[in-house]
Amino acid sequence: DSGVTQTPKHLITATGQRVTLRCSPRSGDLSVYWYQQSLDQGLQFLIQYYNGEERAKGNILERFSAQQFPDLHSELNLSSLELGDSALYFCASSVGQGGSGYEQYFGPGTRLTVT
Amino acid sequence: DAKTTQPPSMDCAEGRAANLPCNHSTISGNEYVYWYRQIHSQGPQYIIHGLKNNETNEMASLIITEDRKSSTLILPHATLRDTAVYYCIALKWGGANSKLTFGKGITLSVRP
Repeated sequence: DSGVTQTPKHLITATGQRVTLRCSPRSGDLSVYWYQQSLDQGLQFLIQYYNGEERAKGNILERFSAQQFPDLHSELNLSSLELGDSALYFCASSVGQGGSGYEQYFGPGTRLTVT
Repeated sequence: DAKTTQPPSMDCAEGRAANLPCNHSTISGNEYVYWYRQIHSQGPQYIIHGLKNNETNEMASLIITEDRKSSTLILPHATLRDTAVYYCIALKWGGANSKLTFGKGITLSVRP
């Protein structure tokens, strides 16, 4: 158990819909990262937040957005869903933001299926 | 970040040591070698990291060659639960962007 929690575990929804994935980092970790993993793409970095502020952006679509709240939990919002958005979405946390704490601890993931 | 190359797969017998190689010939002086693993469909798991000295923790040992162009992750007594994809990553310390970029990794199969 990494100490990172993600909800829900599974999500099935239709194309065009909007969903919200939630992540609670390990106690004391200030950075939260979101990753997408599909079968043909491997693990893709989406976005990082540190103490409530966006720190780095990866291959995140404009239909996707995220935020980190004052209690440090984070949400990833996916809208106008397409079949290709079906994937595992992982959240990870670390103590630092890049100057330290590269050890990222991953949650169990949310499996999103878009039908 | 330097590119790393790993063989696609290997296997070992349960109870034996598993030695997983990684090449990072273009690694720069301020880049650390990190190892993660991912057991099927679970979240990746941090294993160990090092700069130039050999490192050991409760999970594994990391041996880095003197020229730092390659490294070996050693699982001293592999179990069936160690069957996973193992990723070797070179990451710059102090960089503003700490995203992880996973390659294809090496699939370790531990056989009974």
